[in-house]
Amino acid sequence: DAGVTQSPTHLIKTRGQQVTLRCSPKSGHDTVSWYQQALGQGPQFIFQYYEEEERQRGNFPDRFSGHQFPNYSSELNVNALLLGDSALYLCASSLVGDTYNEQFFGPGTRLTVL
Amino acid sequence: DAKTTQPPSMDCAEGRAANLPCNHSTISGNEYVYWYRQIHSQGPQYIIHGLKNNETNEMASLIITEDRKSSTLILPHATLRDTAVYYCIVRVEMDSSYKLIFGSGTRLLVRP
Repeated sequence: DAGVTQSPTHLIKTRGQQVTLRCSPKSGHDTVSWYQQALGQGPQFIFQYYEEEERQRGNFPDRFSGHQFPNYSSELNVNALLLGDSALYLCASSLVGDTYNEQFFGPGTRLTVL
Repeated sequence: DAKTTQPPSMDCAEGRAANLPCNHSTISGNEYVYWYRQIHSQGPQYIIHGLKNNETNEMASLIITEDRKSSTLILPHATLRDTAVYYCIVRVEMDSSYKLIFGSGTRLLVRP
């Protein structure tokens, strides 16, 4: 039973570029949440996808967008990259309605913006 | 919108109990307290969660005060592999799902 997987593991971009990060949820899960973790900080909620729609959003600008596919996998897109977007991007999956279960986190994608 | 406050670092001796405190004085009545830990460069790992009552599982115990304004995570017999950053988290309900609001975490060092 595969857990949450994310790709790529590491990524280096320059300011102004665009990036796409990918996440495959744990088998049986239908909801994907994305978090940004700056160095030395706790993860911050970006948004959540369920039924291929963005359900909730944290305090992040519109440069951050996402998508969920019919197989429940998800992408996080960031446009017009800034130096401050350098962070570990974490994907977590869960099952709607299973309110007592935990969110399972992937290993993350380390994004460096130069 | 962090809802939890934790000491930035703690240490304990291997084999002893590690008691990690957390303050969540603004928590709402239906918001759960969760604990996750993160070992360097890995994704956070679930430990335990609770609402009002104390909880215990194979990893840890969670003690929540009666007024729910604070809690303590207890690792009964800490090992070197328990060295990690421990996050005290408030789970905020959203429609039929939820989001996790992380604090800044406590870096626990278990000494040999």
